[in-house]
Amino acid sequence: EVQVAESGGGLIQPGGSLRLSCAASGFSVRDNYMSWVRQAPGKGLEWVSLMYTGGSTYYADSVKGRFMMSRVSSKNTLFLQMDSLRADDTAVYYCARGDDRGVKAFDTWGQGTVVTVIS
Amino acid sequence: SYVLTQAPSVSVAPGQTGRITCGGSDIGSSGVHWYQQRPGQAPVLVVYADGDRPSGIPERFSGSNSGNTATLTITKVEAGDEADYYCQVWDSSSDYPVVFGGGTKLTVL
Repeated sequence: EVQVAESGGGLIQPGGSLRLSCAASGFSVRDNYMSWVRQAPGKGLEWVSLMYTGGSTYYADSVKGRFMMSRVSSKNTLFLQMDSLRADDTAVYYCARGDDRGVKAFDTWGQGTVVTVIS
Repeated sequence: SYVLTQAPSVSVAPGQTGRITCGGSDIGSSGVHWYQQRPGQAPVLVVYADGDRPSGIPERFSGSNSGNTATLTITKVEAGDEADYYCQVWDSSSDYPVVFGGGTKLTVL
């Protein structure tokens, strides 16, 4: 069964750093494009970052220069390094797998990990 | 960057048909995907590529896309369909390729 599971969230002060993990099972993170999507309390879905199979990455303006997405194929795990955290980064962070059909949809989502930035 | 516009809320009586729209410039030229998010849960893909359904999604869910508007249609609405629904497109020419609409809250009366 194809699954992803996020971890690493928590309470952090402004200016701090966190590293989120997304452990994949049932597929290889090298073979699918992957994204991080976040949802602030009471708000809608916000795309954060994307990694293509070739390893190229893209970021939303709101996190560019502060967040970095990476993967470790041997662990079949995706990471999101978050630095210089701000209060408006507070959100549930979801890891999402790109579909196999090539239609650019996200067919598998994790349950999310909560990041709270508070002084 | 590309913008998708959704109405904040839609209400529908049980057994009736609910329609949720997603507006965007020439959106009919793009493949549109729809996600359902029930309270406290992760999003679930319910329609992809305008009108196809992943396995396990009821036939009551369908989609269409033309011109500047894409539509998610839910027939014979049930209480369990009450959720937030988000449209999404892929803007391949952009440095911000993944675009979500603001979401529509479907309330079952």
